[in-house]
Amino acid sequence: AQKITQTQPGMFVQEKEAVTLDCTYDTSDPSYGLFWYKQPSSGEMIFLIYQGSYDQQNATEGRYSLNFQKARKSANLVISASQLGDSAMYFCAMRAFSGGYNKLIFGAGTRLAVHP
Amino acid sequence: DVKVTQSSRYLVKRTGEKVFLECVQDMDHENMFWYRQDPGLGLRLIYFSYDVKMKEKGDIPEGYSVSREKKERFSLILESASTNQTSMYLCASSLSATYEQYFGPGTRLTVT
Repeated sequence: AQKITQTQPGMFVQEKEAVTLDCTYDTSDPSYGLFWYKQPSSGEMIFLIYQGSYDQQNATEGRYSLNFQKARKSANLVISASQLGDSAMYFCAMRAFSGGYNKLIFGAGTRLAVHP
Repeated sequence: DVKVTQSSRYLVKRTGEKVFLECVQDMDHENMFWYRQDPGLGLRLIYFSYDVKMKEKGDIPEGYSVSREKKERFSLILESASTNQTSMYLCASSLSATYEQYFGPGTRLTVT
């Protein structure tokens, strides 16, 4: 079954420190994509970063990087130099081919709190 | 920037009412999606559409229907609202099925 697992319901970090949010996935498809989204308290989902299954290098976008370990089926999000504005829910998602279409499958999310 | 808008941020309806949730995107995206978000469950796909007048069931379509008469607009319809449909509803659009999805601000629906 295609599935995304986020085992950390909540995390906290001190401002300016780095934090890693865990994500593991399960799929038998050779081609897939992994996404991370941020959801602040305002409710809107904000796209952060993408990693394709065939990408050789880990994706990076500013302070966000994706630690992609294909053999372990993990796609952890690393946020460097945390800021107070990083406090939000974070969702890992996988693009999977199911029922004849590409769909996004989401994890349950991790709530990150950044403390001053 | 992609802009996805939803007709209401908050909505309160009574059991049995017909409810319309509207979503509009301004980037000429082919694909549009409706999700519901519940605590501990993440986002679950209700319906999606890859073209005008085309619709496909997602993972939890029961109790919902959709309409896409124009490319930029995708409507979610609750034919007879029930209390278990109280949730946050998120609309999204994407250029193609393999690209990232852009989300609207969400509609928090309460059915009493």
